[in-house]
Amino acid sequence: DGGITQSPKYLFRKEGQNVTLSCEQNLNHDAMYWYRQDPGQGLRLIYYSQIVNDFQKGDIAEGYSVSREKKESFPLTVTSAQKNPTAFYLCASSPLASPPYNEQFFGPGTRLTVL
Amino acid sequence: GNSVTQMEGPVTLSEEAFLTINCTYTATGYPSLFWYVQYPGEGLQLLLKATKADDKGSNKGFEATYRKETTSFHLEKGSVQVSDSAVYFCGVDNQGGKLIFGQGTELSVKP
Repeated sequence: DGGITQSPKYLFRKEGQNVTLSCEQNLNHDAMYWYRQDPGQGLRLIYYSQIVNDFQKGDIAEGYSVSREKKESFPLTVTSAQKNPTAFYLCASSPLASPPYNEQFFGPGTRLTVL
Repeated sequence: GNSVTQMEGPVTLSEEAFLTINCTYTATGYPSLFWYVQYPGEGLQLLLKATKADDKGSNKGFEATYRKETTSFHLEKGSVQVSDSAVYFCGVDNQGGKLIFGQGTELSVKP
C-alpha cells in the first residue's frame, strides 16, 4: 500500500537531547513537509522540501533541522535549541508535478514528549 | 501570501443535525481549496477538494462549494453522526508549493 509512515508514534526524550523523527513515503511525491501541532491549535510549518538535496524554512524553523538525501525520506531533528519541543509532529507529502499541485497526504504523526 | 479564516469551535451538535463550518480565504488567482479531517491522535485525512470556481467537492455526505465571489468554501453536511466528531481544517493553495491551513474547528456530535 502506498502511503506515508512516521516512526515512532510516541517518543520520550530528556531535556537537552537531540531527537530525530522519521518520515518515509512511497508515493513518489516530489515535495515533503513537516508541521508542528500543539493542543487545540492548527498546523504550523517547520520545513519543507520540493526536491532532493534542497529544503526551505517554514514559519517556525528555529531549533529544528532537516535533510533530504533521498526522495522518499525527510527526517526531522529536534535539537536542544528548541525551547518547547513537546508537541505532535506531522509529516506530509504532495506530488507537485500534477494538479491539484498542493494536495497533501499526511502521515499518522509522532507525539514527542520532552521530560 | 494567501490566508484562511475558519469558524471557531468547538461546535457541539446532536446526531442528525445540519452542520456548517465556515471558511473564507484571501488569495490571488484561483487557488485550489481543501477540507481535511483529523480524528483524535491521528494525522490529517483529505475530506474533499475543489480546484476551480463553482466546483463542488463532496465525500462521505460532506459538501463544499468553491465560491469565488465571496471567497468562501464552507463545509456542510445534512445529517451528522457521532462518528463525524473530529477536528476539521480548511486549506488553501499558496504560492511556492505550500498549503495554508485554518486553525481548525472541533466538532462534537452527541447521540
